[in-house]
Amino acid sequence: EAQVTQNPRYLITVTGKKLTVTCSQNMNHEYMSWYRQDPGLGLRQIYYSMNVEVTDKGDVPEGYKVSRKEKRNFPLILESPSPNQTSLYFCASSFSITGELFFGEGSRLTVL
Amino acid sequence: GQNIDQPTEMTATEGAIVQINCTYQTSGFNGLFWYQQHAGEAPTFLSYNVLDGLEEKGRFSSFLSRSKGYSYLLLKELQMKDSASYLCAIIDSNYQLIWGAGTKLIIKP
Repeated sequence: EAQVTQNPRYLITVTGKKLTVTCSQNMNHEYMSWYRQDPGLGLRQIYYSMNVEVTDKGDVPEGYKVSRKEKRNFPLILESPSPNQTSLYFCASSFSITGELFFGEGSRLTVL
Repeated sequence: GQNIDQPTEMTATEGAIVQINCTYQTSGFNGLFWYQQHAGEAPTFLSYNVLDGLEEKGRFSSFLSRSKGYSYLLLKELQMKDSASYLCAIIDSNYQLIWGAGTKLIIKP
């Protein structure tokens, strides 16, 4: 089944404790991206990747890192999480920027 | 700056027709998407417009006017399962996706 898989789905952590949210897609998509969604603000792009080893900042990259060592994986790293990073995070992938985006189920992160 | 405007919330009746508008001011234009998002779930793709005109897909249609910076999503024969948020997104001149805040659609019996 074609899908985008994110883990963990839910996480409660404390300020400063490094965490990684994994994202994997099995559709051989070139394009992958990370979003955060907060009430009233819609989806905001954190980082995106057009291909392996190519990553670019989105609208809200501060406090986040990503890597794209393999085509299928695009992990999101929070080196030192802060409470303002409490949010719902979505990973998405597509064949290209103009193609249909397939989203993971979301990861709800709470930073205390 | 870049701006996408959608109504925050709309209410419609089951079986009726509703039109959700999206106006945009972006640095260039390379396409417009509509996505549906049910509460607590991920967005799912509805339509993509890059040329002016109407694209019809079953009960859903999407219209684009690039000269007016305007699009709408038309939902016919509304069903209770259409209660969701509808997100408009633009690909700008740098091939960045810019998202509107979404329109929450409430369907009443």
